[in-house]
Amino acid sequence: ETGVTQSPTHLIKTRGQQVTLRCSSQSGHNTVSWYQQALGQGPQFIFQYYREEENGRGNFPPRFSGLQFPNYSSELNVNALELDDSALYLCASSLGGPTSGSKNIQYFGAGTRLSVL
Amino acid sequence: AQSVTQLGSHVSVSEGALVLLRCNYSSSVPPYLFWYVQYPNQGLQLLLKYTTGATLVKGINGFEAEFKKSETSFHLTKPSAHMSDAAEYFCVLYTGFQKLVFGTGTRLLVSP
Repeated sequence: ETGVTQSPTHLIKTRGQQVTLRCSSQSGHNTVSWYQQALGQGPQFIFQYYREEENGRGNFPPRFSGLQFPNYSSELNVNALELDDSALYLCASSLGGPTSGSKNIQYFGAGTRLSVL
Repeated sequence: AQSVTQLGSHVSVSEGALVLLRCNYSSSVPPYLFWYVQYPNQGLQLLLKYTTGATLVKGINGFEAEFKKSETSFHLTKPSAHMSDAAEYFCVLYTGFQKLVFGTGTRLLVSP
């Protein structure tokens, strides 16, 4: 059973650029959540995808968008990068839908560290 | 608003000493609570979870936590710290629709 993998591990971009981060879910998981973890802070929920549809969104602007593919892997896209977007981006996968409750544990990848200069 | 507050951004203990990491929550509905641990350059790993039932929850690596509704607390403890326990610990509240709300984290430092 493979765990959650994220790529790339590190990324450096300049302000105004666009970035795509990738996540492969744990085998059999159909739900992916993305989190932003700024330095010294806890992860903040960005959004979640269930069966290729967005299923909930945190307090992030529309320039943060995502996709989930039929194999349940996922992408996080950020347009018009700002300096404050510098953070560790975490992907978590789980099995279950919106009503499955906390019974389904979220399994996290190691993250992508994004630096915006 | 549903939130968690972790008291102390850093906790230092000696190897073999008791570990106590504090967490208080605010929730308008019966809470589901978790503790996650984050080792350097690794993903978050679930230590333990409380949903319903027994208020003393045992997790991996000898950690346990007690849910106290009257105190709105969910403190994490371990009787005897090990050097390998040094990491960042997050108290987490489940708010519904699989959305997790994280505390700001507590870094545990273990000295020999």
